[in-house]
Amino acid sequence: SSELTQDPAVSVALGQTVRITCQRDSLRSYYASWYQQKPGQAPVLVIYNKNNRPSGIPDRFSGSSSGNTASLTITGAQAEDEADYYCNSRDSSGNRFFGGGTKLTVL
Amino acid sequence: QVQLQESGPGLVKPSQTLSLTCTVSGGSISSGSYYWSWIRQPAGKGLEWIGLIYTSGSTKYNPSLKSRVTISVDTSKNQFSLKLSSVTAADTAVYYCAREVLYGDYLNWFDPWGQGTLVTVSS
Repeated sequence: SSELTQDPAVSVALGQTVRITCQRDSLRSYYASWYQQKPGQAPVLVIYNKNNRPSGIPDRFSGSSSGNTASLTITGAQAEDEADYYCNSRDSSGNRFFGGGTKLTVL
Repeated sequence: QVQLQESGPGLVKPSQTLSLTCTVSGGSISSGSYYWSWIRQPAGKGLEWIGLIYTSGSTKYNPSLKSRVTISVDTSKNQFSLKLSSVTAADTAVYYCAREVLYGDYLNWFDPWGQGTLVTVSS
């Protein structure tokens, strides 16, 4: 079972703001990296190192953290943002974890 | 720009060993402080980290798969490889290789990823 918990599905109206969360079963504050995966494609990194975007990722994507919950926020969601989103983190033992994924629907 | 490409058999019989290779192009697998990981995804399901290797040869495996996994690196070929033994139908998945960056004590991210290769376990 994943140590990172994500809501299975989230929807957002076109142009509105949506927050996708990733809760860790620990009281320790942490940051996650975030990946976007469209059907039939490999995951693509969208947020890393707390709130950094790789080249080519629109600035409507941002990352944040509060307590044991990391969040990916899309401000002004576009139709092309419809995808599965996964968070990732590692623990003090060096194990890596992915959340179960959140399917984002843009209405 | 670094690119990764998985290769290997798409069909493996139950109880046999799954073997995949990831070829790194556009940069040396030995340069920089990167880790090289394998990640898999069963159809319709989420991502599962399998394990990683550093170019020194040190490895780290998912505890749930540790008894069956071996990851190795061949720096002369700019490749790293995955072997998963005693496979069952539950090991059927798309297998990805990815480069990982570590930052500080707890930050990490995977970028780039290979395109993935489907491995089916069936007789």
